[in-house]
Amino acid sequence: QKEVEQNSGPLSVPEGAIASLNCTYSDRGSQSFFWYRQYSGKSPELIMFIYSNGDKEDGRFTAQLNKASQYVSLLIRDSQPSDSATYLCAVTLFGNEKLTFGTGTRLTIIP
Amino acid sequence: DTEVTQTPKHLVMGMTNKKSLKCEQHMGHRAMYWYKQKAKKPPELMFVYSYEKLSINESVPSRFSPECPNSSLLNLHLHALQPEDSALYLCASSQVPGTNTEAFFGQGTRLTVV
Repeated sequence: QKEVEQNSGPLSVPEGAIASLNCTYSDRGSQSFFWYRQYSGKSPELIMFIYSNGDKEDGRFTAQLNKASQYVSLLIRDSQPSDSATYLCAVTLFGNEKLTFGTGTRLTIIP
Repeated sequence: DTEVTQTPKHLVMGMTNKKSLKCEQHMGHRAMYWYKQKAKKPPELMFVYSYEKLSINESVPSRFSPECPNSSLLNLHLHALQPEDSALYLCASSQVPGTNTEAFFGQGTRLTVV
């Protein structure tokens, strides 16, 4: 079993709709959860992080964490073509600097 | 300012060459990282420096040699690489080691070994 799993997609969403990206993790010692966006040929860009159970909102982005079920999700409201990218979920263990990435989900927003 | 600067942006080197990748940040971050990313794969951790000391080495071959001269700089020395080492090399930094703070990535160095 992989430590961090994501549906590789591609996920296609119409412009203006809500895109929902999911991530599950296997280690219950996981402490912090990050969502990175990566455009083709570019480096990962941090868009959201969440440490506590529940929802965290930042503009059009909402991160949701459920530690009991070991999943974290990212919702993108009012999807724009510029949101088309690969979204990487990353996890760290308590007291550990190591970011473990999922395989990423490729998201395409259809105009 | 969340800028991590990497140089060069592109590098082509032969298998007998010696080259270095450089990374710089001025955010006062005390954890710095090297990641390697192959096409259509997630970044893979290579090394972590915490307070300028090597804290994690993910069993990386010795042809990759990291160095952290001070709290703002991180180097990756390359020697006798193989074509399969061609990849995007990413540097990242985070504020305080071991506290799970956010990591910010540089633009990467696209390395081609011929």
